[in-house]
Amino acid sequence: AQTVTQSQPEMSVQEAETVTLSCTYDTSENNYYLFWYKQPPSRQMILVIRQEAYKQQNATENRFSVNFQKAAKSFSLKISDSQLGDTAMYFCAPPIGSQGNLIFGKGTKLSVKP
Amino acid sequence: NAGVTQTPKFQVLKTGQSMTLQCAQDMNHNSMYWYRQDPGMGLRLIYYSASEGTTDKGEVPNGYNVSRLNKREFSLRLESAAPSQTSVYFCASSDADRVGDGYTFGSGTRLTVV
Repeated sequence: AQTVTQSQPEMSVQEAETVTLSCTYDTSENNYYLFWYKQPPSRQMILVIRQEAYKQQNATENRFSVNFQKAAKSFSLKISDSQLGDTAMYFCAPPIGSQGNLIFGKGTKLSVKP
Repeated sequence: NAGVTQTPKFQVLKTGQSMTLQCAQDMNHNSMYWYRQDPGMGLRLIYYSASEGTTDKGEVPNGYNVSRLNKREFSLRLESAAPSQTSVYFCASSDADRVGDGYTFGSGTRLTVV
């Protein structure tokens, strides 16, 4: 079965520091996109960053970057200069099956402390 | 830009009652999805529709039915609600021709079955 694992249920970081959230997954596809979504207390699901598996270069979006290791099927999210507004649940979402439907990890609850 | 609109935002049902959750998107997306979110479980796919006129089961379809009324609308029906269906329900949509854009989510429906 294709799966996704986020091994850190909860994490805490001081404001302005850097934190890395881990994600491993299993897929039989060769070319695909992976995503990180953020869910703040408002409950809205917000796309944070995407990575195309075909590209070796890691994606970056402002303070957010990924470390994508295709062979190891690892897709971690690094948040630099953490801000209070980064407090949220973070979900890793690789695709599952030939349809490419996204499967979501169980999430990491990140708290940014002042 | 409305994006994905879900109604209602909150609902309380008694065991055995029925209801339909409505979802509409205005982005001309061909694919639509229903997920449920439970604490510690991430988002789990209930049903999806790859195109108008087609629907397929996801990971947790039991107790639900769906209708893809047209390209814009995708409804989720609970015929006889059970307490195990207490959850937050998300509708999402995507463009199969722009996989890298990921999913756009509605704001969710919090359903409580008593």
